[in-house]
Amino acid sequence: DTEVTQTPKHLVMGMTNKKSLKCEQHMGHRAMYWYKQKAKKPPELMFVYSYEKLSINESVPSRFSPECPNSSLLNLHLHALQPEDSALYLCASSQSGTGGIGNTIYFGEGSWLTVV
Amino acid sequence: GIQVEQSPPDLILQEGANSTLRCNFSDSVNNLQWFHQNPWGQLINLFYIPSGTKQNGRLSATTVATERYSLLYISSSQTTDSGVYFCAVSRRTGANNLFFGTGTRLTVIP
Repeated sequence: DTEVTQTPKHLVMGMTNKKSLKCEQHMGHRAMYWYKQKAKKPPELMFVYSYEKLSINESVPSRFSPECPNSSLLNLHLHALQPEDSALYLCASSQSGTGGIGNTIYFGEGSWLTVV
Repeated sequence: GIQVEQSPPDLILQEGANSTLRCNFSDSVNNLQWFHQNPWGQLINLFYIPSGTKQNGRLSATTVATERYSLLYISSSQTTDSGVYFCAVSRRTGANNLFFGTGTRLTVIP
């Protein structure tokens, strides 16, 4: 069982809606990530938070807005999305935000997003 | 960014067969992980292996960092091994952001 929990598992939203994806981990990890995966493609990094501060934004459009309220929680706020944003959104966490021995990254089960 | 290529892209095996999946990467890395993505989208950690060899049951992995490749071995395959296998790496400097390879889609038939 994954120790990274994502909600909701499925979300259908209209292009004018505002919704949020939520992610929670209780492993004491200090780095959290959002990845986006389109069908039959590998996951692509969107954001990295390290010690609750945004450290990487991979040129993601502003209609995606991340938030890290505390070290255990990570949100992704969605607004004015396009149908092409439909994808699997994966949250992950690791012990720290920098590379190093033992810094395994663990993924949640993902949130399937459909924009109509 | 770093390039990560996996081969073969698709693989069909009879149950009980063995296989080797390969991951080539274009730059020095300080993190390399193998994942299995099941049909429901869950990415399951198989190995953290930036160098050396590890074994876990029917699976084993070897990374030769100096030659920039990693291999995943699956022995006595089972239908539950079906799915997509990803290799993911992060670079020697910078944050621990994984770049994923192109994946190998494995189908094990009874």
